[in-house]
Amino acid sequence: ETGVTQTPRHLVMGMTNKKSLKCEQHLGHNAMYWYKQSAKKPLELMFVYNFKEQTENNSVPSRFSPECPNSSHLFLHLHTLQPEDSALYLCASSQVGGFDNEQFFGPGTRLTVL
Amino acid sequence: DQQVKQNSPSLSVQEGRISILNCDYTNSMFDYFLWYKKYPAEGPTFLISISSIKDKNEDGRFTVFLNKSAKHLSLHIVPSQPGDSAVYFCAASNTGNQFYFGTGTSLTVIP
Repeated sequence: ETGVTQTPRHLVMGMTNKKSLKCEQHLGHNAMYWYKQSAKKPLELMFVYNFKEQTENNSVPSRFSPECPNSSHLFLHLHTLQPEDSALYLCASSQVGGFDNEQFFGPGTRLTVL
Repeated sequence: DQQVKQNSPSLSVQEGRISILNCDYTNSMFDYFLWYKKYPAEGPTFLISISSIKDKNEDGRFTVFLNKSAKHLSLHIVPSQPGDSAVYFCAASNTGNQFYFGTGTSLTVIP
């Protein structure tokens, strides 16, 4: 595997379900991110982890719970979501501290909440 | 309030011609700017970046121009090719790893 991978690619869940999104980066980066992309809106940063420590939480509802067990893996645990949470969830990684700080994205998980 | 704006949701260009995608930002503290390209069913891929100490950066057919006084960024693709058809996002940051993205411009290059 290369780059940033995400599983599952598609997920349909009911409002009472609990599910998790998984992200893995194979780039040796030290920072990982969760973004939400809704139709006709900019990518919204949800969480940032630097060296496995959460450094940003952009007012995300508690029904989204991130977990970063190591610098290569990132999870987003989902619980009692709402239909408006249906969106594309993108994971990204980057090497913080270098000159170029571009983020590398995974293919995303298309989430539908019924 | 959006700090990065792409006011053109779509753009169509003839193959071989120049594509110009525009981006405006409001935060004068932004000092690093990037363009990403996104195909359907894929995540955004990094295309080109520019820091605020420069006003131009070129990579092959892609050139990014930065006008700090106008808080304006543009991406020029020349010559445009059908494979360039995708959604293009601009992003900005103010040193750190928090990026602010625009809503994207869908480019269609007509053969």
